[in-house]
Amino acid sequence: RKEVEQDPGPFNVPEGATVAFNCTYSNSASQSFFWYRQDCRKEPKLLMSVYSSGNEDGRFTAQLNRASQYISLLIRDSKLSDSATYLCVVNGNNDMRFGAGTRLTVKP
Amino acid sequence: SQTIHQWPATLVQPVGSPLSLECTVEGTSNPNLYWYRQAAGRGLQLLFYSVGIGQISSEVPQNLSASRPQDRQFILSSKKLLLSDSGFYLCACDSSGANVLTFGAGSRLTVL
Repeated sequence: RKEVEQDPGPFNVPEGATVAFNCTYSNSASQSFFWYRQDCRKEPKLLMSVYSSGNEDGRFTAQLNRASQYISLLIRDSKLSDSATYLCVVNGNNDMRFGAGTRLTVKP
Repeated sequence: SQTIHQWPATLVQPVGSPLSLECTVEGTSNPNLYWYRQAAGRGLQLLFYSVGIGQISSEVPQNLSASRPQDRQFILSSKKLLLSDSGFYLCACDSSGANVLTFGAGSRLTVL
């Protein structure tokens, strides 16, 4: 089993749609969780941290379920500029483990 | 906030040639540093991480090596490249200790 697993997609949605991504992780001792965004041929950039109580940043909402070992990202009112690959990141023993990413394309 | 410089940005190398990718960090001290590789259409694979000068941990057996000769310098090397070494190499820094990574712009390597 991979340490961090994501649905690779692609997710193709119209502008204004709501889309949700899930990610599962295998290390029950993990304490830090993040979503990164990666544009084509660019480096990943931090989108948001994921807190135990759930957190929201504008149109983006992240949630953590420790019992089931998954995190989620919800994007509301999708914009064309949201098109990217979204990476789920979970801390390992001394490093951060990345999922393979979920690709999102928002279409007009 | 820190800035990460990586070079070269792009390179094409023949099989069997050596490799040296360099990463330097500005705006912080004593950061944790990482080398990741991303193959085409794939996720990020951790290659090496370093918590200090001369301290290198390797995640997977491979054809590559890493060194940290200075606090803010991290170098990825190979003596003889393989075709399978092709990929997008990313240097990352965690300066806060909060597991938040900042990446350099990456070095795209093609081995022919």
